[in-house]
Amino acid sequence: NAGVTQTPKFQVLKTGQSMTLQCAQDMNHEYMSWYRQDPGMGLRLIHYSVGAGITDQGEVPNGYNVSRSTTEDFPLRLLSAAPSQTSVYFCASSSTGGGEKLFFGSGTQLSVL
Amino acid sequence: GESVGLHLPTLSVQEGDNSIINCAYSNSASDYFIWYKQESGKGPQFIIDIRSNMDKRQGQRVTVLLNKTVKHLSLQIAATQPGDSAVYFCAENGNYGGSQGNLIFGKGTKLSVKP
Repeated sequence: NAGVTQTPKFQVLKTGQSMTLQCAQDMNHEYMSWYRQDPGMGLRLIHYSVGAGITDQGEVPNGYNVSRSTTEDFPLRLLSAAPSQTSVYFCASSSTGGGEKLFFGSGTQLSVL
Repeated sequence: GESVGLHLPTLSVQEGDNSIINCAYSNSASDYFIWYKQESGKGPQFIIDIRSNMDKRQGQRVTVLLNKTVKHLSLQIAATQPGDSAVYFCAENGNYGGSQGNLIFGKGTKLSVKP
């Protein structure tokens, strides 16, 4: 059982480039979310989804897009990367909703130069 | 305990001692709380959770205490081991702002265990 899988683990972008962070879970969880983690800070919610076809904004959504075409996948898109988006990104899923126990992936470390 | 800014509060304990990590939460309406452990370069890992209808819950070597009167949560680790060295986060299921119905995380406490 792989759980929550994130790719890539590391990525370096130049300002203005676009990319997609991939997230997949094999636990048939309806709820999925993206958090970012900055040094000395806790995890901040970017976007979340309560099921296929449904997405909503979290605390820090600006500069990021998401879609949820299947239960398993929840990609995070950066359309025009900025240095302020340098961070570690975590995808998480839950069988009982966003306010309950989350299972996290191993993270993607992104640097924007 | 939790703090603002770039520098995490650090708790340094001797191997074999008990550790207590504290957390102040924000919203009196939160009814679910959870502790995560994060080792360097890894994602957060679930430790223990508690609902607001309880004051205490025990797991293997860990205990979570909830004081709703002062909005305080603590994690106690018994007989701390070097493998317990990590950053510990508390979270609440806040129902306000941009995180309605989602977990809201504290900024973390770094636990260092001296052999």
